[in-house]
Amino acid sequence: GENVEQHPSTLSVQEGDSAVIKCTYSDSASNYFPWYKQELGKGPQLIIDIRSNVGEKKDQRIAVTLNKTAKHFSLHITETQPEDSAVYFCAADASSNSGYALNFGKGTSLLVTP
Amino acid sequence: NAGVTQTPKFQVLKTGQSMTLQCAQDMNHEYMSWYRQDPGMGLRLIHYSVGAGITDQGEVPNGYNVSRSTTEDFPLRLLSAAPSQTSVYFCASSPTRRVGNTIYFGEGSWLTVV
Repeated sequence: GENVEQHPSTLSVQEGDSAVIKCTYSDSASNYFPWYKQELGKGPQLIIDIRSNVGEKKDQRIAVTLNKTAKHFSLHITETQPEDSAVYFCAADASSNSGYALNFGKGTSLLVTP
Repeated sequence: NAGVTQTPKFQVLKTGQSMTLQCAQDMNHEYMSWYRQDPGMGLRLIHYSVGAGITDQGEVPNGYNVSRSTTEDFPLRLLSAAPSQTSVYFCASSPTRRVGNTIYFGEGSWLTVV
């Protein structure tokens, strides 16, 4: 599938600080960009998504920005809390006429220390 | 709400053995899929289905079979397990094949092939 590059692979911040995770994608046809949070031993869970006709979206402490021209999008978490510690995945749709699929980044392990 | 249910949670197989990972969803979702998750590789799509009786290959289909006889169930079969299939497997579902529908993941099945 088309590549989705995600950086950094690990991120450690102090409680209350902000965290930023960045992704780039290669498929110019992608129009949907979700972010998933995966806690230890659990399946990924959608936390926010953005579509290509929107440049920014916020949901409380979480925001996502999209630059479709540059093919990159970012997740911003403000006022981080220990419960934000998890692995975060970005994704871009890689759909075809036959179905709906997501290409995932390799994940960012976020640690929020008290 | 059960959501997406996977069984078993953990399994150890010997090389050459066969087994089926079960997946069921109770949300009347049209679209179902299987991903595998390997360290440092993110999630990769194995097979997907856009409705009962319809299946298609994803990015890494070799060594796996699927079928979709009902809307609710989407089992993944390993015909002759290999150590390279040691991974965490996630079943996922979405209301339709339309891009932008939320994809819901199960809790995962940890498979070790020795």
